[in-house]
Amino acid sequence: DTEVTQTPKHLVMGMTNKKSLKCEQHMGHRAMYWYKQKAKKPPELMFVYSYEKLSINESVPSRFSPECPNSSLLNLHLHALQPEDSALYLCASSKQTRGQETQYFGPGTRLLVL
Amino acid sequence: EDQVTQSPEALRLQEGESSSLNCSYTVSGLRGLFWYRQDPGKGPEFLFTLYSAGEEKEKERLKATLTKKESFLHITAPKPEDSATYLCAVQAVKNYGGSQGNLIFGKGTKLSVKP
Repeated sequence: DTEVTQTPKHLVMGMTNKKSLKCEQHMGHRAMYWYKQKAKKPPELMFVYSYEKLSINESVPSRFSPECPNSSLLNLHLHALQPEDSALYLCASSKQTRGQETQYFGPGTRLLVL
Repeated sequence: EDQVTQSPEALRLQEGESSSLNCSYTVSGLRGLFWYRQDPGKGPEFLFTLYSAGEEKEKERLKATLTKKESFLHITAPKPEDSATYLCAVQAVKNYGGSQGNLIFGKGTKLSVKP
């Protein structure tokens, strides 16, 4: 099983709203990632959690706030977003196996900021 | 600077017309090269991981190969359902730290297969 689930599938929010994206995996992976993908562009890394601790923040604005409550869950809290933040937000997880590592992606949350 | 370049940007094939997608990379040290398939509005679907030059992997109509400078994704007798964007990504040694290796993506090749 290589499933990463994300909710919601679609989200429309105003610039003053607060919302959260959720990601879940039950593969025992200890690294989890948030990516942002604009149309016709490759995914861009936002955050990396390793063993439930934030290890990488790719200079993401503070209106995006990640949280890792436990080893299976990853949240992305959104506040005061801008229209240019509209994108597909992807969650991924990975597990190192015999020195080899593969990231598995969820289906994404399509976010529209009005 | 670590870099991944995919070509062509778009490829149109007739059903059954075999072809190859290219992924050229420049990294200080290659930890792994990954191929993903992405359908519109969906997350990337993992296809292959390659770790060393000379390595090959196959899955149905797809075969991935790796050299020290590039990787090819060969598509044999494609079908319309193979239409998608194919993403190549590399993980560099310097970015590898346990389970937190960053992926450097190419811009992808959009494949269209007509019946």
